[in-house]
Amino acid sequence: QVQLVESGGGVVQPGRSLRLSCAASGFTFSAYAIHWVRQAPGKGLEWVAFISYDGYDKNFANSVKGRFTISRDNSKNTVYLQMKSLRGEDTAVYYCVKDQAVGEPAGIYVDWGQGTRVTVSS
Amino acid sequence: DIQMTQSPSSVSASVGDRVTITCRASQGITTWVAWYQQKPGRAPNLLIYGASTLQSGVPSRFSGSGSGTDFTLTITSLQPEDFATYYCQQAKSLPFTFGPGTKVDFK
Repeated sequence: QVQLVESGGGVVQPGRSLRLSCAASGFTFSAYAIHWVRQAPGKGLEWVAFISYDGYDKNFANSVKGRFTISRDNSKNTVYLQMKSLRGEDTAVYYCVKDQAVGEPAGIYVDWGQGTRVTVSS
Repeated sequence: DIQMTQSPSSVSASVGDRVTITCRASQGITTWVAWYQQKPGRAPNLLIYGASTLQSGVPSRFSGSGSGTDFTLTITSLQPEDFATYYCQQAKSLPFTFGPGTKVDFK
C-alpha cells in the first residue's frame, strides 16, 4: 500500500533553515507529482508546494515563495522541502501528499503522510 | 491565484440532520473542486473530487454539486462520525488553494 513518511521536523530559531524529507513506497514514485500541505496549530489547511513527477515543474504558495525550494530524487523515492529564512508563521504540521493522477497533477489527494511538526521559535 | 471561501465557518447540528456547506471560488473553475474531511490530530480524508464524484469507500450520505464558482457539500442524515472539519480545495490551477474550513459540531 502507499506509504508517505515525512521526517526532518523539529524546533528551529527564526531565520534558520530546515529540510523536510518525504520517503515514499508502495507505488511507482517517478510517475506521480508530490505536494506539501501544512496546517498551523488550530488553523486550516494551506497548500505549500508542488513538484512534478519528473522534477521539472515546481510551484509554491506566495507565503513561501523565495524561501522554500522543493526537489526530488526518483532513485531514492524521496521528495525534499528545503525551508530557509523560517518565520513564526511557518510553524505547522507539514504533510507530504501524493497526487492521484499519473503525470500531470490533478489536485486529488487520497494518500497523505502522517505529518511532521515544525516549530519556529526562539 | 484562485481564492476559495466557505460558509458557514461552523455549524451546530444533531445526528440525523441534513448539513449543507458551500464553497465559492474567486473565478470559474468548472468542476475542479475536491472536498476533504479532517478530524483532530489526523490527516484529511478525501470525500469528493470533480465536484461530485464520490471517492471510493465514502458513504453515500455525502454528495457534492456545483460548477463554475459555486459548490456545495451535503451530508444527509448526519452520523456521529461525521462531526469534523470540512475543506474544499480547487484543483483548476496551481497553487491548489484550500477554503478556510467549516467545522461541524454537536448542537
